[in-house]
Amino acid sequence: AQSVTQLGSHVSVSEGALVLLRCNYSSSVPPYLFWYVQYPNQGLQLLLKYTSAATLVKGINGFEAEFKKSETSFHLTKPSAHMSDAAEYFCAVSDASGSKLTFGKGITLSVRP
Amino acid sequence: DADVTQTPRNRITKTGKRIMLECSQTKGHDRMYWYRQDPGLGLRLIYYSFDVKDINKGEISDGYSVSRQAQAKFSLSLESAIPNQTALYFCATSDPGGAHNEQFFGPGTRLTVL
Repeated sequence: AQSVTQLGSHVSVSEGALVLLRCNYSSSVPPYLFWYVQYPNQGLQLLLKYTSAATLVKGINGFEAEFKKSETSFHLTKPSAHMSDAAEYFCAVSDASGSKLTFGKGITLSVRP
Repeated sequence: DADVTQTPRNRITKTGKRIMLECSQTKGHDRMYWYRQDPGLGLRLIYYSFDVKDINKGEISDGYSVSRQAQAKFSLSLESAIPNQTALYFCATSDPGGAHNEQFFGPGTRLTVL
């Protein structure tokens, strides 16, 4: 069975600082991995996805993530945080059949002026 | 117009009442899902459907039922609501021929059971 671990529930950074949100996964098969973002009072939208084509994945709004098989990690980064990045971020892994996603518990990102 | 819509957006009800949450999509996707979101717990899958004749339980289906009325419509029912079903509920869709189960989410329904 697949699982996702997102350590910590809240990250706070200053505007312009590096954003690093951690995600570790467990999967019995080569995984497909996703990062979703949820802005206040909205549904989830896809930031980026790893589907084995390239280990460094670029997404929307300047975010990127690197798949590291040896570390079973898929951490999300952005070089310079913007106030509009304040949101909740979820990492997810697809099951072997590609039919279901398992989500992590989410991390809330706050950006200080 | 939104591709995945949910009605109502907010609902307050009392313990024991029957509640139906509705989801409609214009994306033409065969697969539809219902999740609940609770603070600190992330999203948990309640039910999912791969076509009109296919309904499957997720990890937390107890106390819920669903109906897939058409390819575009998937409803979630709480037969007798209880306070611990207070949560944010999301509907999602995906295309089996699409990119590795990328899912598209509705805006959510905030349900409060008193």
